[in-house]
Amino acid sequence: QKEVEQNSGPLSVPEGAIASLNCTYSDRVSQSFFWYRQYSGKSPELIMSIYSNGDKEDGRFTAQLNKASQYVSLLIRDSQPSDSATYLCAVNAGKAGGTSYGKLTFGQGTILTVHP
Amino acid sequence: NAGVMQNPRHLVRRRGQEARLRCSPMKGHSHVYWYRQLPEEGLKFMVYLQKENIIDESGMPKERFSAEFPKEGPSILRIQQVVRGDSAAYFCASSPVRGEQYFGPGTRLTVT
Repeated sequence: QKEVEQNSGPLSVPEGAIASLNCTYSDRVSQSFFWYRQYSGKSPELIMSIYSNGDKEDGRFTAQLNKASQYVSLLIRDSQPSDSATYLCAVNAGKAGGTSYGKLTFGQGTILTVHP
Repeated sequence: NAGVMQNPRHLVRRRGQEARLRCSPMKGHSHVYWYRQLPEEGLKFMVYLQKENIIDESGMPKERFSAEFPKEGPSILRIQQVVRGDSAAYFCASSPVRGEQYFGPGTRLTVT
């Protein structure tokens, strides 16, 4: 079983729709969860972090975390063609406000395509 | 507000040569991480360093690869005697003592 699993996609949504990206993880000690966006040929860009169960909203992005189910998701509202990218889910054992536990473990990424 | 800096951005080496990749963390960040992304594969952790200390090198291949983060200057990822399988994008990330990791633009290594 992979440590962090994502559907590779591609996930195709029309412009203006909600894109829903999902991620599951296997290590119960994981405490910190991140979503990165990576455009083709570019480096990962941090778009959301979440540490506690529930929802966290930032603009058009909402991250959802359920530690009991070991599940984290990212919703993108009013999707735009510029959102077309690979979305990477990452986890680590570090706690919010605590000392960094170092390495991030990434999923394979979900390719999102937003078509006009 | 300079971000994480990496150089060179592109590096071509022949098999058997050495590759040196450099990373300067964001201002105020004291933790550096190296990741590798092979074609069509995900990002894989290699090594985590603080100034003059290797904290976690569990992702580093046992041979030919080494990393350092000296008291002065950038972090260096060194690959000796490169082989074609080393061709990949190498990303450096940095973080403050407590906080998220931010990635540099990467170095694309091509071994011919």
